[in-house]
Amino acid sequence: DIQMTQSPSSLSAFVGDRVTITCRASQGISNYLAWYQQKPGKGPKLLIYAASTLQSGVPSRFSGSASGTDFTLTISSLQPEDVATYYCQKYNSAPPLTFGGGTKVEIK
Amino acid sequence: EVQLLESGGGLVQPGGSLRLSCAASGFTFSSSAMTWVRQAPRKGLEWVSAISSGGSTYYADSVKGRFTISRDNSKNTLYLQLNSLRADDTAVYYCAKGRGKYYDLPLDYWGQGTLVTVSS
Repeated sequence: DIQMTQSPSSLSAFVGDRVTITCRASQGISNYLAWYQQKPGKGPKLLIYAASTLQSGVPSRFSGSASGTDFTLTISSLQPEDVATYYCQKYNSAPPLTFGGGTKVEIK
Repeated sequence: EVQLLESGGGLVQPGGSLRLSCAASGFTFSSSAMTWVRQAPRKGLEWVSAISSGGSTYYADSVKGRFTISRDNSKNTLYLQLNSLRADDTAVYYCAKGRGKYYDLPLDYWGQGTLVTVSS
């Protein structure tokens, strides 16, 4: 099975800071990578798919990029409402459609 | 507005069974793949099972042979039958809608989840 390794597991930043989260696939997955945001007590929300395509309605401060098997989620200017846990997920064919371990984002 | 409402969770003894339901509205259910994802207490997300719009089913190794996913397009409802439950099946179970008819697509809408607790 393909493993998805996310880093860091948690981070703390100031409002307005640029925040970067990384997800590494153990094998090539082309651009079949999605990012989700989960707030406490809620179901996850799709932010980005195809590594860099913003889901409709998601603020433009969120962006995604890919380089080989490394994927990055960037929040260009952290806002208080961005406090959440973020997950990557690979969705190329062949189950399981594995999630990364998650990154908890907090405000300093 | 897309809505997914899970139900059927609860407390069950090890070895027991439970059936989860997910009532869908606000989209063409029969044209969408659907997925179950679970989250153990204070843990990350785990993909459990998916069903394509055509009825093909897929399972994580951890649940294969014990869980069964199904759908009733006439009722716009997704199901997950959980058998031979173990303590490590304890989790919030989410249903999620795929962005198309195949199972290997991003999940663009999620429900609020239903809690399954396996304990004696």
